[in-house]
Amino acid sequence: GNSVTQMEGPVTLSEEAFLTINCTYTATGYPSLFWYVQYPGEGLQLLLKATKADDKGSNKGFEATYRKETTSFHLEKGSVQVSDSAVYFCALKGGSNYKLTFGKGTLLTVNP
Amino acid sequence: DAGVIQSPRHEVTEMGQEVTLRCKPISGHDYLFWYRQTMMRGLELLIYFNNNVPIDDSGMPEDRFSAKMPNASFSTLKIQPSEPRDSAVYFCASRATATDTQYFGPGTRLTVL
Repeated sequence: GNSVTQMEGPVTLSEEAFLTINCTYTATGYPSLFWYVQYPGEGLQLLLKATKADDKGSNKGFEATYRKETTSFHLEKGSVQVSDSAVYFCALKGGSNYKLTFGKGTLLTVNP
Repeated sequence: DAGVIQSPRHEVTEMGQEVTLRCKPISGHDYLFWYRQTMMRGLELLIYFNNNVPIDDSGMPEDRFSAKMPNASFSTLKIQPSEPRDSAVYFCASRATATDTQYFGPGTRLTVL
C-alpha cells in the first residue's frame, strides 16, 4: 500500500536559516505529492503540490521537487522566518484513489 | 467562501456520553473526509463520502463511531458511548472532483474525561 515517511522532528532553527524537511514515499503508479502546513490551533492548509515526476511545487518561498528516481519530495526554504513555525505534513494521493496518505508531521520552530 | 466550517471547536464530555461533531463543507465540493489527529497516531482518515454516500469507512475505529451526510452541505460524526481514548482533534475536509486539493476545517478538539 501507499506510505509516506518524513523526518522526525522537532526541528529548531534560527531566523534566516536554511530549511530542509525530508520526505520519501512508497506508492504504486504515479502519485500526486503534497506538502500541507498546520499552524497552531488551526487545520491543515495546502502549501504546495506536484503531480508528476520532475515537477517543482512552490509557494511562500518553499519549494519541493518530485523525484521519482529517489521517491522523494523534500521541502526546502532558503531563509525561514518566525512565522514559518508550524507542523509540516508530507502527503500523497495515489492514482484515482481519492484518499490522501499523510506522513506523521514535522514540527518546525523558528527562533528570532 | 467561508471555507470548511466545523462545530463545536472544543468539546469536553464525560465517559459514556454521546458526542456529535458537525461539518459544513465548501459549497460545490462533492467529497467530504473525516480525520482524527492524535500525538500517538498522527493523522488518520476515518471515513469519506462522495456525493453524500459513504465510500470508505475502513478507518472508523469501532462501532461506537458513526458518520452521516444527509445532504451536500452537512455531515456529522457521532461517538456513542465516548471513551477517554477518543480524545483527539477531529478534522473535516472537503474537495471538488476536479482538483487534488483537500481543504480542511479548523478542527474540533474533543476531550473525554
